[in-house]
Amino acid sequence: DAGITQSPRHKVTETGTPVTLRCHQTENHRYMYWYRQDPGHGLRLIHYSYGVKDTDKGEVSDGYSVSRSKTEDFLLTLESATSSQTSVYFCAISDPGQGGYSNQPQHFGDGTRLSIL
Amino acid sequence: EDQVTQSPEALRLQEGESSSLNCSYTVSGLRGLFWYRQDPGKGPEFLFTLYSAGEEKEKERLKATLTKKESFLHITAPKPEDSATYLCAVRKTDSWGKLQFGAGTQVVVTP
Repeated sequence: DAGITQSPRHKVTETGTPVTLRCHQTENHRYMYWYRQDPGHGLRLIHYSYGVKDTDKGEVSDGYSVSRSKTEDFLLTLESATSSQTSVYFCAISDPGQGGYSNQPQHFGDGTRLSIL
Repeated sequence: EDQVTQSPEALRLQEGESSSLNCSYTVSGLRGLFWYRQDPGKGPEFLFTLYSAGEEKEKERLKATLTKKESFLHITAPKPEDSATYLCAVRKTDSWGKLQFGAGTQVVVTP
């Protein structure tokens, strides 16, 4: 299994509070991604990083921010949590490899289940 | 607008009853199509990558195929341990490795 650790695995919090989720990898992969997974929507990309301090928005980035100060860590912050952000959050990693990024799959952590009351 | 659509949403099979899952896509500049398996409470697990029409990949009872508009995941003589949600995703050119996922097909195989 790819060395990806997400923390916490479960969290319950209240509307309006800030929340930070952590993704830690031991594979030294260059690219990291945050997704959310909701019934009927599949996995949707929130933000991604293509290097240390290099990040960009995905398709559902409103209300989220990210930071990557080290290769191994990618943080997702909900600045002021809302009930619509209740979801399961997955981190993924990939690396260009010798064949370029098109040849390399993403590998996923086991997710963080976040409930916002 | 780029789209990835999986069908059916759910599939219930008897053990040994072969079937196929469909992933249709409308994206420009396809770089690769990926299949994943996801078990409850777990992250997606990579199965296959397909790059060009006509390509096929196999792993145990699973076989993935690709045309210019869709991909099929064939499950031959499934066993209960093949029960999972199967996800497909596409990668476009110049996308920093990003993937766009379909909503998945939930497969249940009963003994």
